[in-house]
Amino acid sequence: KQEVTQIPAALSVPEGENLVLNCSFTDSAIYNLQWFRQDPGKGLTSLLLIQSSQREQTSGRLNASLDKSSGRSTLYIAASQPGDSATYLCAVRQGQAGTALIFGKGTTLSVSS
Amino acid sequence: GAVVSQHPSRVICKSGTSVKIECRSLDFQATTMFWYRQFPKQSLMLMATSNEGSKATYEQGVEKDKFLINHASLTLSTLTVTSAHPEDSSFYICSATSPLNPYEQYFGPGTRLTVT
Repeated sequence: KQEVTQIPAALSVPEGENLVLNCSFTDSAIYNLQWFRQDPGKGLTSLLLIQSSQREQTSGRLNASLDKSSGRSTLYIAASQPGDSATYLCAVRQGQAGTALIFGKGTTLSVSS
Repeated sequence: GAVVSQHPSRVICKSGTSVKIECRSLDFQATTMFWYRQFPKQSLMLMATSNEGSKATYEQGVEKDKFLINHASLTLSTLTVTSAHPEDSSFYICSATSPLNPYEQYFGPGTRLTVT
């Protein structure tokens, strides 16, 4: 059974720091991996989606990498801002299209000004 | 594009009553919809997968007679929590996939259910 783990569970940094969030998964047979942002009491905002054949994806200050064979992904946030404060969720999709995502518990990030 | 809405955003109900949550794909036809539940400080856990016109597939441990899912059209799925109890209080989120892009899910904003 696929399990997704995110480390650390919580992270506090001063504004301007670069940071890395980690995600690991136990079954490397994934179709793709997706990073989401969730603000308190809100739904999910998709940040980056990496197909299993890709190594990384970039969007603005965000860069996500995927090492499928080792079951790891990282989300790199450059020059963090207070507005980046949120919970970041990693999720994997296994198998064919139309299957559900399996989520980690998330990393709660707090960026202080 | 690819917007999913949920209604209501918040609902408070008394123990023993039933409550219905709607999930709509606003600008695309959703062949598959998923229902997730999220407890405080926990991850999203899949409850069931719903395909239009067929019975939902429930995850292990989810009572299908308690959580009734109906996917009657390509743009609407409903989740009815029957005989709600305080332990059903949670954040319920739906997602949908489009046949044009079946490898990505589009999430609704969630519904906060509180059972008193």
